[in-house]
Amino acid sequence: DSGVTQTPKHLITATGQRVTLRCSPRSGDLSVYWYQQSLDQGLQFLIQYYNGEERAKGNILERFSAQQFPDLHSELNLSSLELGDSALYFCASSVGLAVATGELFFGEGSRLTVL
Amino acid sequence: DAKTTQPNSMESNEEEPVHLPCNHSTISGTDYIHWYRQLPSQGPEYVIHGLTSNVNNRMASLAIAEDRKSSTLILHRATLRDAAVYYCILRSLDGSSNTGKLIFGQGTTLQVKP
Repeated sequence: DSGVTQTPKHLITATGQRVTLRCSPRSGDLSVYWYQQSLDQGLQFLIQYYNGEERAKGNILERFSAQQFPDLHSELNLSSLELGDSALYFCASSVGLAVATGELFFGEGSRLTVL
Repeated sequence: DAKTTQPNSMESNEEEPVHLPCNHSTISGTDYIHWYRQLPSQGPEYVIHGLTSNVNNRMASLAIAEDRKSSTLILHRATLRDAAVYYCILRSLDGSSNTGKLIFGQGTTLQVKP
């Protein structure tokens, strides 16, 4: 158990809909990262927040947005869903910015299926 | 971040040592070498990291070439539970792009045969 909690574990929805994925980082971790893993793209970095502020952005679509709240939990919002958005979405956390030596702790993921 | 190259897949027999190679010929002096693995249906997990010297921990050993252009993750006695995708990642201490995020490549899928 990494200490990172993601909900829901599974989600099935239809094209055009909007969903919210939630992540609770390990106690004391200030940094939260979101990743998308699909069969053909591997693990893709989406976005990172540090203590409530956006810190880094990866290949995140404009239809997706995220935020980190004062209690440090984070939400990833996916809207106007398409079939290709079906994937595993992972959240990770680290104590600080992790820099070059710190460890990232990953949750078990939220599996999104868009029908 | 500098790029790494790993074989797509490897096989091992249970109870035998496994050597997973990683090439990183463009590594810079401030790049740390990290290994993560992803077991089936789970999120990635940290395995080990190093800079110049060989490193050991309870999970594995990391052997780093003298010129640092390659490294090898060593699992001393593979078990069925070690079947996973292993990722070799470089993380730099320098640069404004260094925010702590990990950039994953395709990794090496390790199969362990009983």
